[in-house]
Order: sequence, then C-alpha cells, then structure tokens
Amino acid sequence: DGGITQSPKYLFRKEGQNVTLSCEQNLNHDAMYWYRQDPGQGLRLIYYSQIVNDFQKGDIAEGYSVSREKKESFPLTVTSAQKNPTAFYLCASSIRRTGNEKLFFGSGTQLSVL
Amino acid sequence: AQKVTQAQTEISVVEKEDVTLDCVYETRDTTYYLFWYKQPPSGELVFLIRRNSFDEQNEISGRYSWNFQKSTSSFNFTITASQVVDSAVYFCALRTSPNFGNEKLTFGTGTRLTIIP
Repeated sequence: DGGITQSPKYLFRKEGQNVTLSCEQNLNHDAMYWYRQDPGQGLRLIYYSQIVNDFQKGDIAEGYSVSREKKESFPLTVTSAQKNPTAFYLCASSIRRTGNEKLFFGSGTQLSVL
Repeated sequence: AQKVTQAQTEISVVEKEDVTLDCVYETRDTTYYLFWYKQPPSGELVFLIRRNSFDEQNEISGRYSWNFQKSTSSFNFTITASQVVDSAVYFCALRTSPNFGNEKLTFGTGTRLTIIP
C-alpha cells in the first residue's frame, strides 16, 4: 500500500542533543512537508521541499534543518537551538506544491524533552 | 494576511445526533481553496474534502455534508447520525495563491469531536 511512514512514533531528546525524525513516502510525490502540532494550535509549517535537493523554510524553521537527497525521503533534524521542541511532528506529501493538491500525512512523531 | 477560525474547541454529542463544526476564514484573495481534514487518535490527518472559491455548491458524501457560504466566509461541516468512529479532531484549512509558487496553507486550531455511545 502507498503511504507515508514516519519513525519513530515516540522520541525523547536530552538537553543539547540533536535528534532526527524520519519520513519516507512511496507515493511518488514531488512535494514533501514538515508540520509541527502543539495542543490547541493548528498545524504550523516548518519546512517544505518541492523537488529533490531543494527545500524552503516555512513559518517556524528556526532550530530545525532538513535534507532532500532522495525523492522518497525528507528527514527533519531538531537541533539544540530549538528551545521548545516538545510537540507532535507530522510529515506530509502532495503530488506537487502548486495548485490545490490535497496533502497525505504520516502518523506522526511525538517528541519530548527529558 | 489569511486566517482560519474554528471557534469550537471541543464538542461532545450522543451517538446518532447530528453535529455541525464551524469554520470561518479570512483572505483577500479571490481564488482560494478550502479543505477539511480528520485526525483520528492514530495521529495522521485524513483528507475529507476540497472546495474552490468559485464553487459554492454544497456537497454531501454519505453522512457528511459541507455548507460553503462566501457571504459569511464560512465552510461548515455537518455529520448526520453521528457514530463513535467519527470521534476525532477536525481541521479546516485555507489555501491561497497570491502568486505562482507562493501558495500558503493555513490551518485552523481544530475542533475535538467526541461521540458518546
């Protein structure tokens, strides 16, 4: 079945540590996205990528980094510069970024700080 | 600036009751798209519907229906004869295209719907 796989489901970060969240899709979609979800808030865009080897900052990119070396993979690194990383992180993809394409989402990663 | 307001933070209804989730949006663009997504306890958001700004026809899909009214900038979602499986957080979202390649998707804060058996 086609879809988006995020791992791990739960992740714990120590002070000063960088952690990487995995996102893989087998939908052959060009565009991929990372969103952050905090309780009582809507989804906020961290980074997006329209094509391999290209990515753009979203609304809350500070303290995060991404790479897009392969079409199917878009990992997110939460760096030590992100002072409030506890949140639910959702990866999504769409056929392309322009137009009105719907998003397909993974099941998320809950990141907590130890 | 664009904005999506879902004023209902949490709603609880007894199974088989009808329930309407409200969504009010703000945008200066004349061309835009509205979406509803469902987030069940498993976490992933699931697409429910997409509507463009030029199509004000209401839509019905089984027990789900959507009422789009540009005059009040609303895109409300009604579930008829609710079921326990409808329990989830529902997000309304607005996508605008002020210029090519600069699309912006804004989500509301979500409404948590609980269906009581």
